[in-house]
Amino acid sequence: SQQGEEDPQALSIQEGENATMNCSYKTSINNLQWYRQNSGRGLVHLILIRSNEREKHSGRLRVTLDTSKKSSSLLITASRAADTASYFCATGPNSKLTFGKGITLSVRP
Amino acid sequence: GAVVSQHPSWVICKSGTSVKIECRSLDFQATTMFWYRQFPKQSLMLMATSNEGSKATYEQGVEKDKFLINHASLTLSTLTVTSAHPEDSSFYICSAGTGWRGYTFGSGTRLTVV
Repeated sequence: SQQGEEDPQALSIQEGENATMNCSYKTSINNLQWYRQNSGRGLVHLILIRSNEREKHSGRLRVTLDTSKKSSSLLITASRAADTASYFCATGPNSKLTFGKGITLSVRP
Repeated sequence: GAVVSQHPSWVICKSGTSVKIECRSLDFQATTMFWYRQFPKQSLMLMATSNEGSKATYEQGVEKDKFLINHASLTLSTLTVTSAHPEDSSFYICSAGTGWRGYTFGSGTRLTVV
């Protein structure tokens, strides 16, 4: 069964706007990861946040984690057309990652 | 950084034939590799864990005789889809790494069985 569930399932925004994507999970975690997948391609690791962290930044990415609510959010600031992709959250050890269904982000130029 | 090469990137085969997909770690030795399957607009589902020098560990519901995995060296794992059928058409992705340096995904293989 899938551990992570992202919402919304699809998001369309204008270039320059911020994009916020949410992920909820069911069981206790040690860390949560966000991945990006361009259409028909493999996954690119974006960021990992540990269970004892509440917020983490990487460039235009900001990830938050609320273990009490079992949820995480990924914020992409000042979006670009090149950010158009599917985004997945994943939990579990690297030896057994469980992915959510993904969010399709479309950034209109 | 860690680079994982997956080949081929796409393949079309006839029903009943077998297809082999390769996953290589280019600049590191991978004791463990993972094979995932992804249907259109859906998430990745772990199929099996490939361990160098030992048998692969398959997830529940994955037929080991259908999806043969071989991890004969520290840089190469192969997934063979045997007697492929149209329902096997999917996107297959591998990942490789070691516990201390994390895991990297290949670029995926689009399999179409006609």
